[in-house]
Amino acid sequence: DTGVSQDPRHKITKRGQNVTFRCDPISEHNRLYWYRQTLGQGPEFLTYFQNEAQLEKSRLLSDRFSAERPKGSFSTLEIQRTEQGDSAMYLCASKELAGGPQQETQYFGPGTRLLVL
Amino acid sequence: KQEVTQIPAALSVPEGENLVLNCSFTDSAIYNLQWFRQDPGKGLTSLLLIQSSQREQTSGRLNASLDKSSGRSTLYIAASQPGDSATYLCAVRLNDMRFGAGTRLTVKP
Repeated sequence: DTGVSQDPRHKITKRGQNVTFRCDPISEHNRLYWYRQTLGQGPEFLTYFQNEAQLEKSRLLSDRFSAERPKGSFSTLEIQRTEQGDSAMYLCASKELAGGPQQETQYFGPGTRLLVL
Repeated sequence: KQEVTQIPAALSVPEGENLVLNCSFTDSAIYNLQWFRQDPGKGLTSLLLIQSSQREQTSGRLNASLDKSSGRSTLYIAASQPGDSATYLCAVRLNDMRFGAGTRLTVKP
């Protein structure tokens, strides 16, 4: 297992189009997180899953955003009717269900950089 | 609402110097604090995680301290190398994880 992977790494789209990103977590990790990072800022939490259940959503996640993790493995993040303000790096992270200090670490993927023209 | 601040925003040092990066947070009710490294255009790599009951953690040339009551953490990097050049982010966790904006470190050969 080589870690968390994300696809695509880069996406350029026109305003109003829909985009979908994929995240494949580390295989034994129960929890999967989505973050958004804009230039010069730290990541901001969007949502997380425990297995297939979406347990928390940030207020940043408008109704144009939807995330799924149908089989408790990979996850998708879809943005409908994209706006220029959606341009950012979208990061995915995974971790084991907390069982001790070492299990608290989230492992991040390389991110998908979105540019909305 | 938890606010995380990192100072300085950018730092440039010559190779070999010891340096300190600072992180402060407004709400001391945290579960843990984590330091990450981010290379340009890449994801985050965890460096050190300090539980709320701990005071410090060490890994190689890195040492992170936590003073929960005062809402502060420092990341000490000894004998800096050009390969240490990156953005360093701290994050605190209670229910979700809140990140600072990072310190962009440049180590000049």
